[in-house]
Amino acid sequence: QKEVEQNSGPLSVPEGAIASLNCTYSDRGSQSFFWYRQYSGKSPELIMFIYSNGDKEDGRFTAQLNKASQYVSLLIRDSQPSDSATYLCAASKAAGNKLTFGGGTRVLVKP
Amino acid sequence: KAGVTQTPRYLIKTRGQQVTLSCSPISGHRSVSWYQQTPGQGLQFLFEYFSETQRNKGNFPGRFSGRQFSNSRSEMNVSTLELGDSALYLCASRDNQETQYFGPGTRLLVL
Repeated sequence: QKEVEQNSGPLSVPEGAIASLNCTYSDRGSQSFFWYRQYSGKSPELIMFIYSNGDKEDGRFTAQLNKASQYVSLLIRDSQPSDSATYLCAASKAAGNKLTFGGGTRVLVKP
Repeated sequence: KAGVTQTPRYLIKTRGQQVTLSCSPISGHRSVSWYQQTPGQGLQFLFEYFSETQRNKGNFPGRFSGRQFSNSRSEMNVSTLELGDSALYLCASRDNQETQYFGPGTRLLVL
């Protein structure tokens, strides 16, 4: 079992709809969670991070964390074709700095 | 502030050679981490340096090494290159909030 798991997709979403991405993790010592977006041929760029249980909103993005279920999600509202990319979920432990990444979910937003 | 810079951006080497990659973190960031990204294994942590000391190391063979200088710039070295070392090598610098920002990467091709 991989430490951080994501559905590889592709997740096909109509323009203007909500894209829902899921991520599960196996290490209960994980404290911080990050969502990165990576366009083809580019490096990952940070979308947002979440440390506490519950929801965190930033613009069109909402991250949700449920530590009891070891589950992190990312919602993208009003999806745009420019949101088409691979979304990477990453976890880190509080005491260290190593990011453990999931395999990524490819999102396709169709006009 | 300028972002993370990595040099060179592209590199072609042959098996058995060695290579050195360079990373300059965001000004004021003292932590630098290195990651390898391949289609098969995804993003994997190599090592992390903070104030010239290696703080964390991933599961890579000893052919992969790194160092950090007093100005926080970092280098990683791969000796005796193998075909499987072909990858995108990413450097990330970390701020005090534990968030890592990635550079553009160095794409290494081993022939």
